[in-house]
Amino acid sequence: DGGITQSPKYLFRKEGQNVTLSCEQNLNHDAMYWYRQDPGQGLRLIYYSQIVNDFQKGDIAEGYSVSREKKESFPLTVTSAQKNPTAFYLCASSPGPYNEQFFGPGTRLTVL
Amino acid sequence: AQSVTQLDSHVSVSEGTPVLLRCNYSSSYSPSLFWYVQHPNKGLQLLLKYTSAATLVKGINGFEAEFKKSETSFHLTKPSAHMSDAAEYFCVVSDPGGGNKLTFGTGTQLKVEL
Repeated sequence: DGGITQSPKYLFRKEGQNVTLSCEQNLNHDAMYWYRQDPGQGLRLIYYSQIVNDFQKGDIAEGYSVSREKKESFPLTVTSAQKNPTAFYLCASSPGPYNEQFFGPGTRLTVL
Repeated sequence: AQSVTQLDSHVSVSEGTPVLLRCNYSSSYSPSLFWYVQHPNKGLQLLLKYTSAATLVKGINGFEAEFKKSETSFHLTKPSAHMSDAAEYFCVVSDPGGGNKLTFGTGTQLKVEL
């Protein structure tokens, strides 16, 4: 069954802690993306990766880090430097340019 | 630079009546355009896409959109709304020259009433 999985679905974090969100895809897509969604603001790009062992900053990368050691995995770490991390985080993948992106079900992160 | 403007943040229709969700775009390239739908606390699902083929694009669940270059618009329509269409809809433009980065509109919340 092909698709994108994100875990966990809900995540709670205390202030000052780093937390890692998982994103896995079995679609054999080269490109993967992380977005943040806040009410009334649409989605904003955090990081993206077009190929293994390479990634680029998106529009709001400060306070976040990523790695792309395997084609199927693109974990996102929300660090303590992120000032307002409470949000809905969406991972996506794409076979390449001119193609649509396929989205995972999302992780809702709440900082207590 | 590219941008997307969704002209209505909320649209309310009665079940069985037509749906019109409006979107204008700006792009330096020949754009790829998409409409996605999001139900509460879910990921985004692709409704349809335009990639410089036919200007009238048909999607899933009876939705369609027309690309009008002269008006820089890509409005989403459906002839007859169903209760299950209630969701948030995003108009999206792609920059294929920049890693296929997507620029999202701020979304239109569609409410369907009996």
